[in-house]
Amino acid sequence: DADVTQTPRNRITKTGKRIMLECSQTKGHDRMYWYRQDPGLGLRLIYYSFDVKDINKGEISDGYSVSRQAQAKFSLSLESAIPNQTALYFCATSGQYTDTQYFGPGTRLTVL
Amino acid sequence: AQSVTQLDSQVPVFEEAPVELRCNYSSSVSVYLFWYVQYPNQGLQLLLKYLSGSTLVKGINGFEAEFNKSQTSFHLRKPSVHISDTAEYFCAVVGIGGATNKLIFGTGTLLAVQP
Repeated sequence: DADVTQTPRNRITKTGKRIMLECSQTKGHDRMYWYRQDPGLGLRLIYYSFDVKDINKGEISDGYSVSRQAQAKFSLSLESAIPNQTALYFCATSGQYTDTQYFGPGTRLTVL
Repeated sequence: AQSVTQLDSQVPVFEEAPVELRCNYSSSVSVYLFWYVQYPNQGLQLLLKYLSGSTLVKGINGFEAEFNKSQTSFHLRKPSVHISDTAEYFCAVVGIGGATNKLIFGTGTLLAVQP
């Protein structure tokens, strides 16, 4: 089984809808991250969490919120989706900042 | 703050030829450096990382990178590429000792290996 799983893998939604992307990990890591990937822009950090009680904004947090339900679970919500949030979203985990970040397979989100 | 520049958005190369993917960074503090690879329709996986010690770092699949502090570079090399190396490659940096220790990614280089 994969160490980092993301659901759903693909989602098409309409402008104004609320949507939640979920991430689970079995690596026992404390640190979890949400990134967004757009062509030509690389990966940009949306939110990160260093433990269950620690949530921090990344460089592009506007329009997004997160919840760290447990050490192993970190979900990303779009309260009111808009078309420019169409992108590939990745969850990642790590033990310490010098450690490898392990990425999930990604969620392809399309907002119409 | 840190930043990463990958000047080449795409690098075409023939199979069995050598390749170099360029990465330059900017930081006011010392850094750790990483190269990740993303195969089509997959997430990212670590190729190699530089934390300290020898400036020549060897990674998986025959890749290596050299940290050059004076030129603020961390170029990735492979002496002979295969079709299976076709993927997007991302350089990333994290500043040492900062409050957040977040990875900053470059915009990626697509390595297109042709037969």
